[in-house]
Amino acid sequence: QTVVTQEPSLTVSPGGTVTLTCASSTGAVTSGYYPNWFQQKPGQAPRALIYSTSNKHSWTPARFSGSLLGDKAALTLSGVQPEDEAEYYCLVYYGGAVVFGGGTKLTVL
Amino acid sequence: EVQLVESGGGLVQPGGSLRLSCTASGFTLSTYWMSWVRQAPGKGLEWVANIKQDGSEKNYVDSVKGRFTISRDNAKNSLYLQMNSLRAEDTAVYYCARNDFFYWGQGTLVTVSS
Repeated sequence: QTVVTQEPSLTVSPGGTVTLTCASSTGAVTSGYYPNWFQQKPGQAPRALIYSTSNKHSWTPARFSGSLLGDKAALTLSGVQPEDEAEYYCLVYYGGAVVFGGGTKLTVL
Repeated sequence: EVQLVESGGGLVQPGGSLRLSCTASGFTLSTYWMSWVRQAPGKGLEWVANIKQDGSEKNYVDSVKGRFTISRDNAKNSLYLQMNSLRAEDTAVYYCARNDFFYWGQGTLVTVSS
């Protein structure tokens, strides 16, 4: 079974920049796997942030951006706000199936 | 406004069955693949299953194959998840989502316990 790996936790200062990554056990994550990123706060459903590597939803704040970084998908937050403290998940499509990463707990401190 | 509303969760004994429903509004269900995703207490997201627009293709995570069945009724704007032979490790909040994952429901809690 394919495993998608994210950093378990990261800490960033308010106003800072942080990059979260998403790696696949099958090899490089490319645009053909349509990586997505989601934010989840306690007690809430996940909220979509980025689709197909780097595309933002209408509700996605401008400080969030998606990219490919080497053989991984990446989510970068620039000018981090206190309200960005949350769990972040990536998702990768493998043909008909879908796999989520284990999540990154982002602490803003 | 797109809305997905899950129902059918609850407490069930190990080995029991439960059927989850998801009612969609604000978009044409018949034009989208749909998915179920679950989240065990304190754990991450796990994709469970998805189904093609006309129901002709279905995919499942290995841990539920042979026990869970995803289905849909486009005329009723509804998605379903029939869960049989439930185990304690199936305890989770179950979300329905469009397969592009732009939109999610609020989830329904399934607890498998004696």
